[in-house]
Amino acid sequence: AQTVTQSQPEMSVQEAETVTLSCTYDTSESNYYLFWYKQPPSRQMILVIRQEAYKQQNATENRFSVNFQKAAKSFSLKISDSQLGDTAMYFCAHKGGSEKLVFGKGTKLTVNP
Amino acid sequence: DSGVTQTPKHLITATGQRVTLRCSPRSGDLSVYWYQQSLDQGLQFLIQYYNGEERAKGNILERFSAQQFPDLHSELNLSSLELGDSALYFCAGSAREGGTDTQYFGPGTRLTVL
Repeated sequence: AQTVTQSQPEMSVQEAETVTLSCTYDTSESNYYLFWYKQPPSRQMILVIRQEAYKQQNATENRFSVNFQKAAKSFSLKISDSQLGDTAMYFCAHKGGSEKLVFGKGTKLTVNP
Repeated sequence: DSGVTQTPKHLITATGQRVTLRCSPRSGDLSVYWYQQSLDQGLQFLIQYYNGEERAKGNILERFSAQQFPDLHSELNLSSLELGDSALYFCAGSAREGGTDTQYFGPGTRLTVL
């Protein structure tokens, strides 16, 4: 079974600085996808970024980028130029051959002014 | 706004009761997924429907059931409710992007069982 581990329960960063959230996963599948979702205080789950395991190039979406290390089964999220609106819970998720998402327990990120 | 709608937003009920949560995916989304988010279990997959048929089942209790209708909206039925069923219930629709189905979540229904 797939597992996803987020080892940082809480993190904080100053506005305009860069922060990296860690995620490791375990899977026996060769073809899979990884996601980062953001859950702000409104509780809405918002897709941040997606990475296909067969792609070596790291995905980027504006200020958000990932460092995907397939051999190490690591998938970290880097947020550049942090903004107050980035304050949220961030969940790493794995999706393999089955359709379901397997989530980590989340990292609570606080951006301080 | 993901375009996935869920009703109601909040639901307060008593133990032993039955409730129905409703989800409408975006136009074109054939799949609907249900997830439960609780403090102790985190985010857990419950069940998936694709074009009216059950496709995958996760940690869904026997007291819970779901269905997807011809117009593709879905309902999650929770019966014989217990205090531990208090949670945020999400549904997600999916769109084919980049070779896989990317799931877009609705705003959730917060269920409180008293």
